[in-house]
Amino acid sequence: GDSVTQMEGPVTLSEEAFLTINCTYTATGYPSLFWYVQYPGEGLQLLLKATKADDKGSNKGFEATYRKETTSFHLEKGSVQVSDSAVYFCALSGDTGKLIFGQGTTLQVKP
Amino acid sequence: DAGVTQSPTHLIKTRGQHVTLRCSPISGHKSVSWYQQVLGQGPQFIFQYYEKEERGRGNFPDRFSARQFPNYSSELNVNALLLGDSALYLCASSLVQTNTGELFFGEGSRLTVL
Repeated sequence: GDSVTQMEGPVTLSEEAFLTINCTYTATGYPSLFWYVQYPGEGLQLLLKATKADDKGSNKGFEATYRKETTSFHLEKGSVQVSDSAVYFCALSGDTGKLIFGQGTTLQVKP
Repeated sequence: DAGVTQSPTHLIKTRGQHVTLRCSPISGHKSVSWYQQVLGQGPQFIFQYYEKEERGRGNFPDRFSARQFPNYSSELNVNALLLGDSALYLCASSLVQTNTGELFFGEGSRLTVL
């Protein structure tokens, strides 16, 4: 069945460091890909999405490109801030719209 | 505008009991989904409802059931609770049933089974 694999956390970075969180997927058909973020004490919220191959999603300085050839959707940010500390989830959506999530990656950014 | 609201926010039950969790979607949203998030893991899909009909079901036992009402709010019911049902239960709504649109999540109902 469809699945998503994320790099294990926690990831600890200093402020202004470069961030990469790896995400790979297995799916039949042509899924849409998403990154959701869960800040401490808050609900899941969409960070960015891409709906077809080679699309780049971007938001709040974060970017991810839908790579069909490598079945990947890695999340990147050039300069992280303390306020980016959260749990990040990669997810895919098949035909029915249900989301399949990865296990989540905790990011801690230190000042 | 109100987001997705869930109730109760926290509850404690004992094994064998029954629980009902409630969800009100964003106004105008017709699709509601339920997810279970066990500590340290990603959310797992339980049910999806669209226009009051079940449109998808995840790999959960028959102890789990749900329904959607004419006003598009939804209930998740779990019978014969087990310790392993302890989790954060998330409700999400969307305008329509689609694989490209955003799901809007509530803050969840945290269930502890003792």
